[in-house]
Amino acid sequence: DAGVIQSPRHEVTEMGQEVTLRCKPISGHNSLFWYRQTMMRGLELLIYFNNNVPIDDSGMPEDRFSAKMPNASFSTLKIQPSEPRDSAVYFCASSPWGVTNEKLFFGSGTQLSVL
Amino acid sequence: QQQVKQSPQSLIVQKGGIPIINCAYENTAFDYFPWYQQFPGKGPALLIAIRPDVSEKKEGRFTISFNKSAKQFSLHIMDSQPGDSATYFCAARTTDSWGKLQFGAGTQVVVTP
Repeated sequence: DAGVIQSPRHEVTEMGQEVTLRCKPISGHNSLFWYRQTMMRGLELLIYFNNNVPIDDSGMPEDRFSAKMPNASFSTLKIQPSEPRDSAVYFCASSPWGVTNEKLFFGSGTQLSVL
Repeated sequence: QQQVKQSPQSLIVQKGGIPIINCAYENTAFDYFPWYQQFPGKGPALLIAIRPDVSEKKEGRFTISFNKSAKQFSLHIMDSQPGDSATYFCAARTTDSWGKLQFGAGTQVVVTP
């Protein structure tokens, strides 16, 4: 089992550019989460998908952020335009337990730096 | 607004010591309390979890103590080892339709040789 796979591992971009983060959940998992981690705010849930459908996007900071899950094996988080305050580690996590979501399996994250 | 308050922010113990991390919550609708362990450059990984009908749970050297009336729970790492050096997050899950996890701010634990 390869676990949750995120790409890229590191992304450095300039303010105003579009950034796309990618995630491949564990096969068979039907829940997918995007989290953001910063020193100031800790781990923040951005959006939650169940069976490829967005269930809760209340954590998405603003319209510059969007997420999609076109199929069970792929999700993207897009920031357009990016700003320096978006610099953080972005984690994707998946879970096999449907609505109970008792155990999350996290990827290794994407370290985003917006200059 | 932090729904789960975690302390301390960091702590250092010698090998063999027992680091203790405390968490407190207000929302009585929480029904599941996991702890996640995160090593540098990695994502968090589930370490151990407890439900409010149990006062203590042990898995290996890790123990959760749960005090429902005080709305507090804590993680103890027995006979700590340098390999336990990591950031630890407590969390709590609500009883709404999909069990959203609320994470604490994290505690960085350093175990010296």
